[in-house]
Amino acid sequence: DAGVTQSPTHLIKTRGQQVTLRCSPKSGHDTVSWYQQALGQGPQFIFQYYEEEERQRGNFPDRFSGHQFPNYSSELNVNALLLGDSALYLCASSLAGTAEAFFGQGTRLTVV
Amino acid sequence: AQTVTQSQPEMSVQEAETVTLSCTYDTSENNYYLFWYKQPPSRQMILVIRQEAYKQQNATENRFSVNFQKAAKSFSLKISDSQLGDTAMYFCASGGYSGAGSYQLTFGKGTKLSVIP
Repeated sequence: DAGVTQSPTHLIKTRGQQVTLRCSPKSGHDTVSWYQQALGQGPQFIFQYYEEEERQRGNFPDRFSGHQFPNYSSELNVNALLLGDSALYLCASSLAGTAEAFFGQGTRLTVV
Repeated sequence: AQTVTQSQPEMSVQEAETVTLSCTYDTSENNYYLFWYKQPPSRQMILVIRQEAYKQQNATENRFSVNFQKAAKSFSLKISDSQLGDTAMYFCASGGYSGAGSYQLTFGKGTKLSVIP
């Protein structure tokens, strides 16, 4: 049983560029959440997708957007990258109506 | 809004000994869950233990147990017989219901645990 998988594992981008991160949820899960984890901090909630719609959103600007596909996989897009966007981006999947979330190994984004 | 506070940035414990990590939280929700996650250097967040807020009985998972004090909004993690593989960052998280069947996790800043041989 495959767990949550994310790609790529590492990424280096230049300030002002755009980036797309990908996530495949754990088998049987239908809900995907994205978190940003800055160095030395706990993860912060970005948004959650269910039934291909953004259901909840944290305190992040509109430069952060996402998408969920019919197979429940998801993408996180960040436009106009800032140096402060450098972080570990974690994807978590869950079953709708439950709180328990399973995480992928994350994508380390470095903006230079 | 939910907040989670972990007041111990770093802790260490001798192998085979017992250690307790502290966590306090604040929430206005009645329907919520509490979790401890472990994040080793490999970066993947691994669920250690969960507690449903409506259950009075403290959760236990092998060497890991919690002390859940609902009135005090306290949720500590006890690790017994510590092993070298327990070395990691530990995050306390609150899962609050945010409507339409959706839960959202709020994390503390973490406690770095080192198990010393």
